[in-house]
Amino acid sequence: DVKVTQSSRYLVKRTGEKVFLECVQDMDHENMFWYRQDPGLGLRLIYFSYDVKMKEKGDIPEGYSVSREKKERFSLILESASTNQTSMYLCASSLGGWENTEAFFGQGTRLTVV
Amino acid sequence: DAKTTQPPSMDCAEGRAANLPCNHSTISGNEYVYWYRQIHSQGPQYIIHGLKNNETNEMASLIITEDRKSSTLILPHATLRDTAVYYCIVRVGEFYFGSGTKLNVKP
Repeated sequence: DVKVTQSSRYLVKRTGEKVFLECVQDMDHENMFWYRQDPGLGLRLIYFSYDVKMKEKGDIPEGYSVSREKKERFSLILESASTNQTSMYLCASSLGGWENTEAFFGQGTRLTVV
Repeated sequence: DAKTTQPPSMDCAEGRAANLPCNHSTISGNEYVYWYRQIHSQGPQYIIHGLKNNETNEMASLIITEDRKSSTLILPHATLRDTAVYYCIVRVGEFYFGSGTKLNVKP
């Protein structure tokens, strides 16, 4: 069974902290994605990666960075957490070859910044 | 840029077919139409995708118009567990989600 695993289901951090959200997939997928989901705004793409050490900005990259040192792991980093980054964060992965492959999602990390 | 338009909500009686529409009038020739759903507090779940032919799997059917400017997801016999937000996505490269349709399946 395919699996995308996010390291935490719930997380509470303080303003100004550096926060790492980890995502691991066991499907040998080339592509990985980070989204955030807020009420009324749907899912918004933060960053994605086509391959190891490669990254591309999505719609809302400000305040975030990412790291992909290994194919199976894609980390989202909040350099200095702020209250407006309180959200549900979703990781996804898919095979390369873009158009004709579905993405698989993790269960999400609900981050609260206080 | 989500590139799709969906009604914000729909109701369906349990056991009846649920037909969820999606407009994607600016779709390009190499862009696939994908459907996902998200049940409360879970990650989105893949349902089906297609390019120009109609598609069917164990979960649903996808009907794409000949001009490819719109599509319909059909859940043939909706159950209460199908209550979810359904997202229609036009994809080349990354996935962009719009606001989706909240499907309420009622007893």
